[in-house]
Amino acid sequence: KNEVEQSPQNLTAQEGEFITINCSYSVGISALHWLQQHPGGGIVSLFMLSSGKKKHGRLIATINIQEKHSSLHITASHPRDSAVYICAVNFGNEKLTFGTGTRLTIIP
Amino acid sequence: DTGVSQNPRHKITKRGQNVTFRCDPISEHNRLYWYRQTLGQGPEFLTYFQNEAQLEKSRLLSDRFSAERPKGSFSTLEIQRTEQGDSAMYLCASSLASQYGYTFGSGTRLTVV
Repeated sequence: KNEVEQSPQNLTAQEGEFITINCSYSVGISALHWLQQHPGGGIVSLFMLSSGKKKHGRLIATINIQEKHSSLHITASHPRDSAVYICAVNFGNEKLTFGTGTRLTIIP
Repeated sequence: DTGVSQNPRHKITKRGQNVTFRCDPISEHNRLYWYRQTLGQGPEFLTYFQNEAQLEKSRLLSDRFSAERPKGSFSTLEIQRTEQGDSAMYLCASSLASQYGYTFGSGTRLTVV
């Protein structure tokens, strides 16, 4: 069965802390996506990965294809980073299969 | 281009009524996807179109659900005889192809009372 699991489900941290959110998936993929969802529902695409590592500002995403695992890191976290972060994958087809999301709260 | 637009943003309806949602994708994107997200869960795939052709439908899309993309541009999702279990956020996304990533709309939040 094609599945995507994320951990932790909820994460609360102090401003400035280094944040890591994990995603694992069950079978081979063609691409993995990290998405951000703010209250109100809109989803913003942060990264699309098929191998290696990508960086954008304070956000870093890595993927290990052999281990079927990806991580999203946030350096120097800020209260505006508070959101739900969702991992989603293409299991070799057009549609996305989503994890349940990680609710991140950064306390000033 | 203003991105993917969904209307309405919110819809409250009585059980048994029909509702229709609209999605306007990015104009160059020939692929359009509908997803449903219930509280505390990740989105789940409902259906997708390439141009006007509906290429895949989820088992979640019961007989009461129908989606169209008549001219390969905007799409509509209709739910007939709504049930309380249909209460969810309905998300639309579009893309040129999966390898180019996706752009999401802000969603339509449906509440069935």
